[in-house]
Amino acid sequence: EAGVAQSPRYKIIEKRQSVAFWCNPISGHATLYWYQQILGQGPKLLIQFQNNGVVDDSQLPKDRFSAERLKGVDSTLKIQPAKLEDSAVYLCASSPRDTYTEAFFGQGTRLTVV
Amino acid sequence: EDKVVQSPLSLVVHEGDTVTLNCSYEVTNFRSLLWYKQEKKAPTFLFMLTSSGIEKKSGRLSSILDKKELFSILNITATQTGDSAIYLCAVEGYQLIWGAGTKLIIKP
Repeated sequence: EAGVAQSPRYKIIEKRQSVAFWCNPISGHATLYWYQQILGQGPKLLIQFQNNGVVDDSQLPKDRFSAERLKGVDSTLKIQPAKLEDSAVYLCASSPRDTYTEAFFGQGTRLTVV
Repeated sequence: EDKVVQSPLSLVVHEGDTVTLNCSYEVTNFRSLLWYKQEKKAPTFLFMLTSSGIEKKSGRLSSILDKKELFSILNITATQTGDSAIYLCAVEGYQLIWGAGTKLIIKP
């Protein structure tokens, strides 16, 4: 079974620039999560999709972050404009149902904002 | 405010030692406690605990939950260098709240 694919693996940008991350979940998984993990901290949920609908985006900084999951399959997360404090690993996870125990994580994208 | 606190923050032991990692929580509407192992960047699921006093076991790893005292422990016996990782605890209430993790280093 192919895992959750994320790209790019690494990204370095200057503050105020824009960046986008891509995630392709495991085939058939209805639920997709985007997490932000700052160094030394646990993951923080940014947004949860169920198919192509948003279930929870309460912790997404909507003034600069946006995410979409068109057609209920792959997803993109965008930051515009980036700030220094956005430096983190962005993890995508998917699960067949709305249950964290069956969630599989991708390898993440490490973003450095300079 | 809901919170999950893990201790110690980091731990260095020698191969063959036994380690105990702690996770304490204050989470509204507790539903479950989850343990994950994070190597490099991707966390992988280890255990889900919902009931007090029932040990979950997988090989050399085991975990137990105390819902009265609001904590869980993760034990690893006969540690190996491959156990080196960050171990994350997450508690599911109205949302999934993550701890900061324990960084475990196993020296050969």
